[in-house]
Amino acid sequence: GQQVMQIPQYQHVQEGEDFTTYCNSSTTLSNIQWYKQRPGGHPVFLIQLVKSGEVKKQKRLTFQFGEAKKNSSLHITATQTTDVGTYFCAGPNTGNQFYFGTGTSLTVIP
Amino acid sequence: DGGITQSPKYLFRKEGQNVTLSCEQNLNHDAMYWYRQDPGQGLRLIYYSQIVNDFQKGDIAEGYSVSREKKESFPLTVTSAQKNPTAFYLCASSIPPPGPEAFFGQGTRLTVV
Repeated sequence: GQQVMQIPQYQHVQEGEDFTTYCNSSTTLSNIQWYKQRPGGHPVFLIQLVKSGEVKKQKRLTFQFGEAKKNSSLHITATQTTDVGTYFCAGPNTGNQFYFGTGTSLTVIP
Repeated sequence: DGGITQSPKYLFRKEGQNVTLSCEQNLNHDAMYWYRQDPGQGLRLIYYSQIVNDFQKGDIAEGYSVSREKKESFPLTVTSAQKNPTAFYLCASSIPPPGPEAFFGQGTRLTVV
């Protein structure tokens, strides 16, 4: 079956350091989405990538979709305490449901 | 305001009892989903529905049941057959096929004692 793995599972950074999480799918994805879940909260949509090799930016966040459309990354420049949370990637599976990755939990140390 | 509402936020039940979690949306979305999240874990799909009166099993449907009698509502019943029901349950909705995004409710934290 389809698998979407994210690495690392946990990441602790000093405030101001950069952070990257990687998402790898066992199958080619038509699109990939990224979500952020704050501690105690629910996932909130950040962005969707559709095209091979696509790069999108949201302020300090940079999202990339791999050329083969099987991997993606989220990079945060100069982390802030407001970046704390778990970041999930998600892609549609063969049944066209949202299939979520395992998530990367980010802790930012002030 | 448009959105998706789950109730209650916290729920306690005794082992062996069935319990139903509510999910209501006023976003006019056809597709609705139920996910389970365990501590430090990702989101695992329990059931999904693309249209009223139709639903399909996700990866971990055993011990759960759903109904979709109205477009706005997708309740989840956690039955006594679910061996480890204590978890955080998230309901979501979207325009099918999935995208451009899933909207999530606030979640229900179920504790079975």
